[in-house]
Amino acid sequence: EIVMTQSPATLSVSPGERATLSCRASQSVSNKLAWYQQKPGQAPRLLIYGASTRSTGIPARFSGSGSGTEFTLTISSLQSEDFAVYYCQQYNSWPLTFGGGTKVEIK
Amino acid sequence: EVQLLESGGGLVQPGGSLRLSCAASGFSFSSYAMSWVRQAPGEGLEWVSAVSGTGGSTFYTDSVKGRFTISRDNSKNTLYLQMNSLRAEDTAVYYCATYTGSSGFDYWGQGTLVTVSS
Repeated sequence: EIVMTQSPATLSVSPGERATLSCRASQSVSNKLAWYQQKPGQAPRLLIYGASTRSTGIPARFSGSGSGTEFTLTISSLQSEDFAVYYCQQYNSWPLTFGGGTKVEIK
Repeated sequence: EVQLLESGGGLVQPGGSLRLSCAASGFSFSSYAMSWVRQAPGEGLEWVSAVSGTGGSTFYTDSVKGRFTISRDNSKNTLYLQMNSLRAEDTAVYYCATYTGSSGFDYWGQGTLVTVSS
């Protein structure tokens, strides 16, 4: 099983600032890496797939990078609606696995 | 518009059974693999099971193998999860989601809560 590790667990950021979230895989997942956003009481939403491709309707301030075992989600200028929990997930091999999440909170 | 609507959750005693359903609309259901993902209260996301578009291939996380069965009825655009021998640690919100090998979980339902408790 591929273990996905996200850091930090919590990120405190002021509105308008840049946020950088990390995700590490225990073995290579190539570019089969997705990022999801989840707000309280809501289902997750796909933000990024293929490590760097934004899903339909996702604003350009969200960007993903990386390949192999190291990945990054960057939110260039945090808006109020971006405060949420973010999960990475690999779909390179079964079982599919998620990281533990990074909570982005208002500083 | 893609819509996924889960149902069938509720309170069940340890050792009991429950069947979840997910009614799909707004897309070609049989063309998509489907999956169940769960989230225990206050915890992160955990993939549970997946089924191919035809239903011919199924996949499970180790903790539910032999207890849960995923299936689909493409004539009814519905996904199922039969859960037997339920344990307290199966307590979670269960989401159904479309799955593709190129983009992960594209669309999600709103989830249904399963509580396993005596």
